[in-house]
Amino acid sequence: DTAVSQTPKYLVTQMGNDKSIKCEQNLGHDTMYWYKQDSKKFLKIMFSYNNKELIINETVPNRFSPKSPDKAHLNLHINSLELGDSAVYFCASSQDDTQYFGPGTRLTVL
Amino acid sequence: AQTVTQSQPEMSVQEAETVTLSCTYDTSENNYYLFWYKQPPSRQMILVIRQEAYKQQNATENRFSVNFQKAAKSFSLKISDSQLGDTAMYFCAFMVGEYGNKLVFGAGTILRVKS
Repeated sequence: DTAVSQTPKYLVTQMGNDKSIKCEQNLGHDTMYWYKQDSKKFLKIMFSYNNKELIINETVPNRFSPKSPDKAHLNLHINSLELGDSAVYFCASSQDDTQYFGPGTRLTVL
Repeated sequence: AQTVTQSQPEMSVQEAETVTLSCTYDTSENNYYLFWYKQPPSRQMILVIRQEAYKQQNATENRFSVNFQKAAKSFSLKISDSQLGDTAMYFCAFMVGEYGNKLVFGAGTILRVKS
């Protein structure tokens, strides 16, 4: 009965590869988000979608492409991975003012 | 631009004692929300408490309460009867409006509860 789930939880890959992180929520929320937590634990918004439409794109390199096949899913695809992409990526969802987070995906780029 | 400042990088408290974590924010908006999230070593981001800016009454959730001072743009978190399970990183966060808007986070405060 997990509310917001992400797969995988850990991802280790080589520089230059392309990878995807999947997110699903079973809360019936209309809005979903991606946040990045860097090595200093600082959290910053990347994207948000409402009912499959992009509403926030926070100056993220275009190597990052979110895709929302339906309002319960928001996937993050990253092309040509760089060392600086190593971070924890959190998915979240909301219906109103309160956002609920997934468990995070730790991405390590070697 | 909205900013959130947590001036205490680390704090420690004895089990059963009370501790207060500080947070200040900067905005020219009038309609906003404030949150405290907890991130234990498991990495999960857990909502602790939320406050609506238009409500003067301070929010409380069991052992957790806030001191919301709107004029001073201050939003501190008080944890009473601290427990070992409260050991975590605590993030103060701010959001303008409500619908689909981004959370702006502070840098976090590491809280260690000692037995």
